[in-house]
Amino acid sequence: ETGVTQTPRHLVMGMTNKKSLKCEQHLGHNAMYWYKQSAKKPLELMFVYSLEERVENNSVPSRFSPECPNSSHLFLHLHTLQPEDSALYLCASSVSQGDWETQYFGPGTRLLVL
Amino acid sequence: GNSVTQMEGPVTLSEEAFLTINCTYTATGYPSLFWYVQYPGEGLQLLLKATKADDKGSNKGFEATYRKETTSFHLEKGSVQVSDSAVYFCALRGTGGGADGLTFGKGTHLIIQP
Repeated sequence: ETGVTQTPRHLVMGMTNKKSLKCEQHLGHNAMYWYKQSAKKPLELMFVYSLEERVENNSVPSRFSPECPNSSHLFLHLHTLQPEDSALYLCASSVSQGDWETQYFGPGTRLLVL
Repeated sequence: GNSVTQMEGPVTLSEEAFLTINCTYTATGYPSLFWYVQYPGEGLQLLLKATKADDKGSNKGFEATYRKETTSFHLEKGSVQVSDSAVYFCALRGTGGGADGLTFGKGTHLIIQP
């Protein structure tokens, strides 16, 4: 148990659906991250939020829309996804100053797009 | 840009064997280096880290030394156990400052046979 929870753990959606992934951290951190883990590829950083402001967006398609309403919660809103978006989506958190390089990961949401 | 290269798996060893998983990196400046481990069905957990040249990170019998001259951070363990079976990721964080994402290698799947 790392103090970072993600829901749902598994999600199957059609290409026309709208769904949201939720991440919550109980560690008092103020930076949160979304990563995508696909088979045979390195983990890809998608979004970074620091102090509730987005500080990085790694050329992610607009069908992925992040939201960080407060320092403990992070969402990833999904809309009109493609089958190639099927992957494990990992959330992580850290402090944004000091020992912030240690990122704590949640268990991930396994997404399948049909 | 930053990149991490690690040996492809799966790596299959017998219990009590010596383990080495190679990792090399490309980055400007002096990045921090990490090894994360992912057990089946779980998110990533920090295994060890090193933040400057010649530092040695260690945890749970695993060790890795930050070698600036060879841009390497190889993971070693003297005697592996079945419970060490997992996927191991080498990662780096650049020196940009502030909250920053990690750059990961593709991961090495380690299988330990009794």
